[in-house]
Amino acid sequence: DSGVTQTPKHLITATGQRVTLRCSPRSGDLSVYWYQQSLDQGLQFLIQYYNGEERAKGNILERFSAQQFPDLHSELNLSSLELGDSALYFCASSTRDRGSHEQYFGPGTRLTVT
Amino acid sequence: GENVEQHPSTLSVQEGDSAVIKCTYSDSASNYFPWYKQELGKGPQLIIDIRSNVGEKKDQRIAVTLNKTAKHFSLHITETQPEDSAVYFCAASTGGGTSYGKLTFGQGTILTVHP
Repeated sequence: DSGVTQTPKHLITATGQRVTLRCSPRSGDLSVYWYQQSLDQGLQFLIQYYNGEERAKGNILERFSAQQFPDLHSELNLSSLELGDSALYFCASSTRDRGSHEQYFGPGTRLTVT
Repeated sequence: GENVEQHPSTLSVQEGDSAVIKCTYSDSASNYFPWYKQELGKGPQLIIDIRSNVGEKKDQRIAVTLNKTAKHFSLHITETQPEDSAVYFCAASTGGGTSYGKLTFGQGTILTVHP
């Protein structure tokens, strides 16, 4: 157990809908990263927050957004969902915002868009 | 941006044999190279990492080597056991500039250890 929690574990929704994925980092970690894992794209970085501020953005679609709250949990919002958004979404946490440091992953949320 | 290539995509070994997975990276500014193990239905688990100021690191049956000049790094698992069967990912991070700590992953290697 990495200490990172994610809810829900599974999510099934229809195209055009909006969902929110939640992540709680390890105790003491200030950084949260979101990654998407799909069969065709592999594991891809989406976005990073550090202590409530956005730090870095990857190939995140405009339909997707995230935030980190004062208690350090983070939410990833996916809207106008398309079939191609079906994937595993992981968050990871670490103690720092940059540099050579460990990232610990949560168990993921499996999103299925029908 | 950074690009990480990982080989082989699948690897099948007999229990007790060694397994080697290789990765190359493109950005010479990358300075942190972790390896993750992902079992079915679970998130990636950090198993070992190496920083650019170190050439080799060992942790029991697992070792990682880094060749900065050639821009490649490898994972070595000795005395493999059936419970080592999983998907293994290498990753690289530059950790600086606007990249912060984001990881760029290889495509993954499915390791199967036959009893």
